[in-house]
Amino acid sequence: QKEVEQNSGPLSVPEGAIASLNCTYSDRGSQSFFWYRQYSGKSPELIMSIYSNGDKEDGRFTAQLNKASQYVSLLIRDSQPSDSATYLCAVVFNNAGNMLTFGGGTRLMVKP
Amino acid sequence: DTEVTQTPKHLVMGMTNKKSLKCEQHMGHRAMYWYKQKAKKPPELMFVYSYEKLSINESVPSRFSPECPNSSLLNLHLHALQPEDSALYLCASSQGRGGGMETQYFGPGTRLLVL
Repeated sequence: QKEVEQNSGPLSVPEGAIASLNCTYSDRGSQSFFWYRQYSGKSPELIMSIYSNGDKEDGRFTAQLNKASQYVSLLIRDSQPSDSATYLCAVVFNNAGNMLTFGGGTRLMVKP
Repeated sequence: DTEVTQTPKHLVMGMTNKKSLKCEQHMGHRAMYWYKQKAKKPPELMFVYSYEKLSINESVPSRFSPECPNSSLLNLHLHALQPEDSALYLCASSQGRGGGMETQYFGPGTRLLVL
């Protein structure tokens, strides 16, 4: 069974702090990794995609991928109350075409 | 422009009704997807269309019937639904070239309530 695991949270951080969201996946051959943000009652919005080992930065967001450890993370620097949402990790498993398998999501709360 | 549109935003239907959900994209994408999302759960894939052909059906009950009239449009026809089918229905699209490295862009969703 191919799985994507996330801590459901809530992860509570103070405003201005770094939020660290983690995701593990079961298929070592996975090739594509995505972070989506979903506000309550809204649809998922792409934050980052990452395909190679290492870090990828976009503004306040950094995605980190370690394929050997089957681990992908999202760091949010200078967290803002508007970052409060559920963050979904999605993985394309090997030989799965473009099918996304989502983790259960981590709820982030940024307190003013 | 990475916009996927969906209509209606909200839908209330009885178990004997027939209704349709619509999805449209003008990004030239050739892969389109239907997902179902229950509260506090991640999206679950229902159907995938690739180049207007149904390529994946994730064992969805026949009361859900997808249709892809052209490369920009995707419909989901609903008939004889059950209250447990109440959920947020999400449409997504991606380039459709394959290779497993495509980003899927989601529409705003249709909130469906079955009474």
